[in-house]
Amino acid sequence: NAGVTQTPKFRILKIGQSMTLQCTQDMNHNYMYWYRQDPGMGLKLIYYSVGAGITDKGEVPNGYNVSRSTTEDFPLRLELAAPSQTSVYFCASSLGVPNEKLFFGSGTQLSVL
Amino acid sequence: QKEVEQNSGPLSVPEGAIASLNCTYSDRGSQSFFWYRQYSGKSPELIMFIYSNGDKEDGRFTAQLNKASQYVSLLIRDSQPSDSATYLCAVNMNRDDKIIFGKGTRLHILP
Repeated sequence: NAGVTQTPKFRILKIGQSMTLQCTQDMNHNYMYWYRQDPGMGLKLIYYSVGAGITDKGEVPNGYNVSRSTTEDFPLRLELAAPSQTSVYFCASSLGVPNEKLFFGSGTQLSVL
Repeated sequence: QKEVEQNSGPLSVPEGAIASLNCTYSDRGSQSFFWYRQYSGKSPELIMFIYSNGDKEDGRFTAQLNKASQYVSLLIRDSQPSDSATYLCAVNMNRDDKIIFGKGTRLHILP
């Protein structure tokens, strides 16, 4: 099984550009999450979803949007990139309560210059 | 404010000794607690989870939970150089589906 797949692995954006980080999982998990990790820091929750058609804000949602049209896919959209969005982005999935073990993708290193 | 706190370290422990990592959380209603290990440049991986007060052991790892004190810890016995990593504490706050992470503790095992 591929697990959780994120694309791209690396990306450089100019200020004001837009992009979509792709995340797909093949484990039929209902729960999916987007986190960002700044250097030397923990993970900050951006958005999460408990099923297709349902999304909710996390700790740091400003500047991002998500959609969940299928169980497998949970893309993260950056509309107007800013230097403060330079980070490593991780997508994760889980079966959900009470089995909340997170399976992580390999991450996307994003730089906004 | 809901949050999870950890000492960022680095914590240096001699090889073969016990490493003790600590985490506190603010939401008294939290129910699920996790320890993830993250090597530099890699994704986090789950090493322990605990739901009930007390100790839970898995090989060299022991998770300890004290809900009254809002405190969760991870003990690593017989520390090995391969244990050198950042350890992230994560909490499912009040079972509302949000899994919140602390900043992580960097652990160095000294050969």
